[in-house]
Amino acid sequence: GQNIDQPTEMTATEGAIVQINCTYQTSGFNGLFWYQQHAGEAPTFLSYNVLDGLEEKGRFSSFLSRSKGYSYLLLKELQMKDSASYLCAVRVRHSGYALNFGKGTSLLVTP
Amino acid sequence: KAGVTQTPRYLIKTRGQQVTLSCSPISGHRSVSWYQQTPGQGLQFLFEYFSETQRNKGNFPGRFSGRQFSNSRSEMNVRTLELGDSALYLCASSPTGGLNTEAFFGQGTRLTVV
Repeated sequence: GQNIDQPTEMTATEGAIVQINCTYQTSGFNGLFWYQQHAGEAPTFLSYNVLDGLEEKGRFSSFLSRSKGYSYLLLKELQMKDSASYLCAVRVRHSGYALNFGKGTSLLVTP
Repeated sequence: KAGVTQTPRYLIKTRGQQVTLSCSPISGHRSVSWYQQTPGQGLQFLFEYFSETQRNKGNFPGRFSGRQFSNSRSEMNVRTLELGDSALYLCASSPTGGLNTEAFFGQGTRLTVV
């Protein structure tokens, strides 16, 4: 199986930068995804990393280090609407399109 | 393009009953995966179907089953419901070909077992 760990809760201030970490242990790694999920809504795709390095997409960036089994999601210029759960998910080669999710990090953005 | 559609949105069942949930993927998507989401365990993979074949299965008891039709629509069935089956059941579809593609999630079916 895969162990995927991320902090349970984080709090940050509007306008600030926050980094949400995710560590994983898996064989046959084939990509890491970040999803955002607001309460009562479906998860929505934020980013995908399969090679080492930083992927930037607007206010959101995601980093991957395969040798360390480590990723982070960086949110800049935080807005109140960024308060949500952030889910880290790993895909492995033998599992087709299946995603193995961490338990999610609940981010609260305060004024 | 319509998104992933799940029906019903909410469901209340009694312990011991069975339930069938439906998922219509995005047009052209051939892979459909099902997930169970609970506050304690987060999102857990149930199974994945591709071209009417179950390609992968998570660690759930045999009471949980699914199928996929030729039009890629999928159903999941849970027999002999238990209180612990109360959860949000999410369906996700992915396009044909290539593993570096995102999964698109439906709004989910909220199942409550009483």
